[in-house]
Amino acid sequence: AQTVTQSQPEMSVQEAETVTLSCTYDTSESDYYLFWYKQPPSRQMILVIRQEAYKQQNATENRFSVNFQKAAKSFSLKISDSQLGDAAMYFCAYSGTYKYIFGTGTRLKVLA
Amino acid sequence: EADIYQTPRYLVIGTGKKITLECSQTMGHDKMYWYQQDPGMELHLIHYSYGVNSTEKGDLSSESTVSRIRTEHFPLTLESARPSHTSQYLCASSGAGGPFNEQFFGPGTRLTVL
Repeated sequence: AQTVTQSQPEMSVQEAETVTLSCTYDTSESDYYLFWYKQPPSRQMILVIRQEAYKQQNATENRFSVNFQKAAKSFSLKISDSQLGDAAMYFCAYSGTYKYIFGTGTRLKVLA
Repeated sequence: EADIYQTPRYLVIGTGKKITLECSQTMGHDKMYWYQQDPGMELHLIHYSYGVNSTEKGDLSSESTVSRIRTEHFPLTLESARPSHTSQYLCASSGAGGPFNEQFFGPGTRLTVL
């Protein structure tokens, strides 16, 4: 069975600094996607970034980038130049042939 | 504008009442999902649908029921609300092309049962 683990319930980062959120997963499938979603307080969940398993190149979206280590089944999110608006719950998600699984989330606090 | 809508946004109701949480999407997505989420906590999948007249129970047992009579509409019903049903309910949808697609989320309904 597939699993997604986020071992950091809460993280803090100083404004303008860089923070990395961790995510590990387990699967026997070879073809799958990985996602990071952001849920700001009392606001809609939105997609931050996605990674296709067959692509070796790490995905990047502006200040957001991932470190995808397929052999280690690791998928961390790096946020550069953190801004107050980055404060949110971040969920790692796995999408395979039959299942879409979310991790338990990491609450990110951004300190001014 | 293509989007996903949930009504009501907030609902406070007494024990034993029947309620229906509405979810509609205008993106033409075939897959729709209901999640239960306590504030700031993880998401639990309670129902999903891969198309009209197709509904399945999710990983978390729920006393709610769903229907999918139209592609764009996926309502969730609680026949008799109880305080244990107090939570946030999120609706999501995703497009064709397998389960690899991004899920688009509605704003959620925050339910309080007294």
